[in-house]
Amino acid sequence: EIVLTQSPGFQSVTPKEKVTITCRASQTIGTGLHWYQQKPDQSPKLLIKYASQSFSGVPSRFSGSGSGTDFTLTINSLEAEDAATYYCHQSSSLPWTFGQGTKVEIK
Amino acid sequence: QVQLQESGPGLVKPSQTLSLTCTVSGGSFSSGSYFWSWIRQPAGKGLEWIGRIYTSGSTNYNPSLKSRVTISVDTSKNQLSLKLSSVTAADTAVYYCAREDLWWGFWYFDHWGQGALVTVSS
Repeated sequence: EIVLTQSPGFQSVTPKEKVTITCRASQTIGTGLHWYQQKPDQSPKLLIKYASQSFSGVPSRFSGSGSGTDFTLTINSLEAEDAATYYCHQSSSLPWTFGQGTKVEIK
Repeated sequence: QVQLQESGPGLVKPSQTLSLTCTVSGGSFSSGSYFWSWIRQPAGKGLEWIGRIYTSGSTNYNPSLKSRVTISVDTSKNQLSLKLSSVTAADTAVYYCAREDLWWGFWYFDHWGQGALVTVSS
């Protein structure tokens, strides 16, 4: 199965700062990489599909990039409501797998 | 707007079978080209994909759980079901159902249920 490794595992950030989260795949997955946001006691919500396509209704400060094995989720000008854990997910090859998550805390 | 709701017992005894149902409302269950997945998350941990089903009944399972998992669908009730046999404490988790949509050849989870906590304990 494809292993996804996210970094960092935890990030403490001041509002309006830029956040960058990376996800590295153990083998090439093209653009079959998606990003989700999970707030405490909530289910995950889709942010980015197909590596860089924003899902409907997602604020424009969230963006994704990458292809192959290296991917990035960027949050421009972090807001307090962005405190959450972020997961990458690959659907290039079954079984689907997720990264271990990156927790973003607001300072 | 599509909504998914998990339901089922919150407590299961070790060695027994965990059974959950996901009810889909808001249309599209059998009319669209979607897969319907089960995903779980132990407390404080990450997400693990369990398996999925197409409305035709075609399934894919995670090899790590395949010998214990059965996913089925009842299109007349707009429901999918999960059965996980021979459970242990390691199966204690929040279980989510989610819809998979397709974009340029890649599936992604666009709608999720709120999750159902299942505890395995005697």
